[in-house]
This record gives sequence, C-alpha cells and structure tokens, in this order.
Amino acid sequence: DTGVSQDPRHKITKRGQNVTFRCDPISEHNRLYWYRQTLGQGPEFLTYFQNEAQLEKSRLLSDRFSAERPKGSFSTLEIQRTEQGDSAMYLCASSFYLTGYGNTIYFGEGSWLTVV
Amino acid sequence: ILNVEQSPQSLHVQEGDSTNFTCSFPSSNFYALHWYRWETAKSPEALFVMTLNGDEKKKGRISATLNTKEGYSYLYIKGSQPEDSATYLCAFSQGGSEKLVFGKGTKLTVNP
Repeated sequence: DTGVSQDPRHKITKRGQNVTFRCDPISEHNRLYWYRQTLGQGPEFLTYFQNEAQLEKSRLLSDRFSAERPKGSFSTLEIQRTEQGDSAMYLCASSFYLTGYGNTIYFGEGSWLTVV
Repeated sequence: ILNVEQSPQSLHVQEGDSTNFTCSFPSSNFYALHWYRWETAKSPEALFVMTLNGDEKKKGRISATLNTKEGYSYLYIKGSQPEDSATYLCAFSQGGSEKLVFGKGTKLTVNP
C-alpha cells in the first residue's frame, strides 16, 4: 500500500507526558499537512510543509506543539506536556502541489490520542 | 471566521434511493472545493476536487456540482447501496491556498 501512513494508530497517555506521532506521506509528494479532529467536528488545520519548510501554522497550534519534516520526507508531530483537551484524532495528509490547480489531498487513517 | 456548513447532519435512506447533500461555503476568493467519503476506521477517501464555477464531476453513481458565485456544492448519490454508508465531508480553500476548511460532514446510513 502506498498511501499515507501514520504511527501509532492509537496512543493513551497520562496528562503531562509528551507524545510524538509520525507520518509517512505518499512518495514524492511535496506537501504534507497535519489536521486535528475532535468529536462532532470536521478536521481542523494545524500546519503544513512544502518539502522541509513549514509554511503555515494555525493558532490552534500552541507552543506545546511542534512539527518537523526533516529532509522533506516523513514528518513528526510532538505534543509536550499533554492536556486532556489534546485528546483527538490527528490526521496527516499529503499532496503533490502544482501551482494553479486544485490538487487532490490524500489523508492517512489518523492517530487517536487519549489523554487521561 | 471561515465557515463551511453541511446539511443535513445525518440521513437515513433505503437501498436504491437517490439522495443529495449540500455544502455551503464563503464565495469570496474561492480556490477549490473538495469532497471526501469517510468510513469508520479508514482514511478519508478523496472523491472530487472542483475549481471552476459550474463544474460537474462524476464517479460511478456519485456526482457533484459547484456554484462558486453563490457558494454551494451538491453531492448526489444515485441508487444508494449499503456500502455507501459513510460520512461525507466537504472542504474548501481560498486564495490559492491548499489549507482546507472542513464542514462537520453528513452521515449517511443506507438500510438494506
């Protein structure tokens, strides 16, 4: 399968602990996105990368959140000092961006985070 | 604040019925409108990306239309099957950005 893959699929952590999620995009996709979905809501944008450059971050992304995409391949999303409000599904997506087109954005299955 | 509204929130139909959903979005500075189909425990599946006013796209029994001037898109499913049961999400983007703003989705249940 050459889709977007995310790891781990589920994570339960105690409040105050750090967690890290990994995303492997579709090969050769130059853009990678992170979204978060909470119950009853649609996915909300967190941040995105073009190659290794982080181009935009949402105000939802507090200082406790950091994302990286070293070498423009896989990406990690780290949450420090987790809070119960961080419990959500974290979705990664990727696309091959071409200027002037509406490009298809492909999503992974998501990583569920539960903070207890 | 950019808002995407989807209606209805949920829908129950019988197998063989045709159905449609609505997605409303801000019409200013429109760039693209995406439709996704999301089954539980799977990844959202991209159905359509639409960019031009008046666009109509079709994939099997599913089709979509786009009106960027008034800010709405319709998704149609002809002859619904139980395997069509899923949440259908629309998302739009503005100004050349690919940052998507999603609606809350329409949950479709097709009863055999």
